Amino acid sequence: DTEVTQTPKHLVMGMTNKKSLKCEQHMGHRAMYWYKQKAKKPPELMFVYSYEKLSINESVPSRFSPECPNSSLLNLHLHALQPEDSALYLCASSHRTNTEAFFGQGTRLTVV
Amino acid sequence: GQQLNQSPQSMFIQEGEDVSMNCTSSSIFNTWLWYKQDPGEGPVLLIALYKAGELTSNGRLTAQFGITRKDSFLNISASIPSDVGIYFCAGQTRIPSGNTGKLIFGQGTTLQVKP
Repeated sequence: DTEVTQTPKHLVMGMTNKKSLKCEQHMGHRAMYWYKQKAKKPPELMFVYSYEKLSINESVPSRFSPECPNSSLLNLHLHALQPEDSALYLCASSHRTNTEAFFGQGTRLTVV
Repeated sequence: GQQLNQSPQSMFIQEGEDVSMNCTSSSIFNTWLWYKQDPGEGPVLLIALYKAGELTSNGRLTAQFGITRKDSFLNISASIPSDVGIYFCAGQTRIPSGNTGKLIFGQGTTLQVKP
């Protein structure tokens, strides 16, 4: 089983809303990631969690707040987003941070 | 920062033809990965390479980890219509301060296959 599950698949939110993206994996992976992908561009790393601790924050604005409640779950809390934050948000996991990463199907976020 | 140069940017080929794409970098990577992404979906891992010089196959796909650790290529033999998509190379590097690794993506190769 190499499945990473993301919910919701689509999300439309206003600039004053608070919403959360969720990611779950049951492969026993101890590294989890958030990526942002704009159309026709490669995924861009946002955050890396290793053993439930934040190990990399790629200078992401504070309106994006990650959370790793346990080894299977990863959340991304969204608040006061801008229209330019509209993108495909991808979650990924791997056994460790230097092994192959498996991606979820993504959440298509639209900020209006 | 580290960058991966992936080429070609796009390819339009006839069904049955072989395809080759590659990635190069000025930096050394510990791992090379190749992904395929369909529209609106997440990238799907095709092949992972861990050792310089390693040549690995997965069905009609073959990929190699360059000897210098600064490049990799992916070949697709006898292409079929479902090979259509965007192919990304990705290099994994280790952060000097610890065991955390970063995955850096190439710009992607868009493949179109004419039946």
